[in-house]
Amino acid sequence: GAVVSQHPSRVICKSGTSVKIECRSLDFQATTMFWYRQFPKQSLMLMATSNEGSKATYEQGVEKDKFLINHASLTLSTLTVTSAHPEDSSFYICSASFVAYEQYFGPGTRLTVT
Amino acid sequence: GQQVMQIPQYQHVQEGEDFTTYCNSSTTLSNIQWYKQRPGGHPVFLIQLVKSGEVKKQKRLTFQFGEAKKNSSLHITATQTTDVGTYFCAGSAGGTSYGKLTFGQGTILTVHP
Repeated sequence: GAVVSQHPSRVICKSGTSVKIECRSLDFQATTMFWYRQFPKQSLMLMATSNEGSKATYEQGVEKDKFLINHASLTLSTLTVTSAHPEDSSFYICSASFVAYEQYFGPGTRLTVT
Repeated sequence: GQQVMQIPQYQHVQEGEDFTTYCNSSTTLSNIQWYKQRPGGHPVFLIQLVKSGEVKKQKRLTFQFGEAKKNSSLHITATQTTDVGTYFCAGSAGGTSYGKLTFGQGTILTVHP
């Protein structure tokens, strides 16, 4: 099946620093990648949709200058949390799609900002 | 914007009992998908429903899509401990939002042996 990886799986950073999370589709080319945020025992909240070579589309309420998304190739998208604060601590999950509907999720990245 | 409500939030069952989770959208959907997330894991795609009134089965799992394409359900017959996890429905509005999913809150299923 289609495999999506995320790196790092866990990261702890100090308040004010930036953190980059990578999302890779390992065995397929993803036309679209999605970035979600999930709080403990809660649902997935879509942050942004990214297509290779174009600017990401952010959901309402998501600060594009804070959550920078780059989709440089059909197999790689990155999310950079800039000037992270404790309230940015969360589980960030990416997904990739290459067929019409099915999304393949990465294992997620747990970010803790101290 | 589009909202997807899912109930119940929690369900505790004895092994062998049946389980059902329900999903309702505030708007008509193009399709609805179901995902399962094991504790500590990531969501895994289970199925997609597209047609009005569609019913699909996967072994002990039965998925239904309502006639109005605004609601859906997942029913598990004779639960097993391996069914433990959070079940999410996710709706797609289609059109310019094609591919974009709005997730329900999820139902956390616990199965007691």
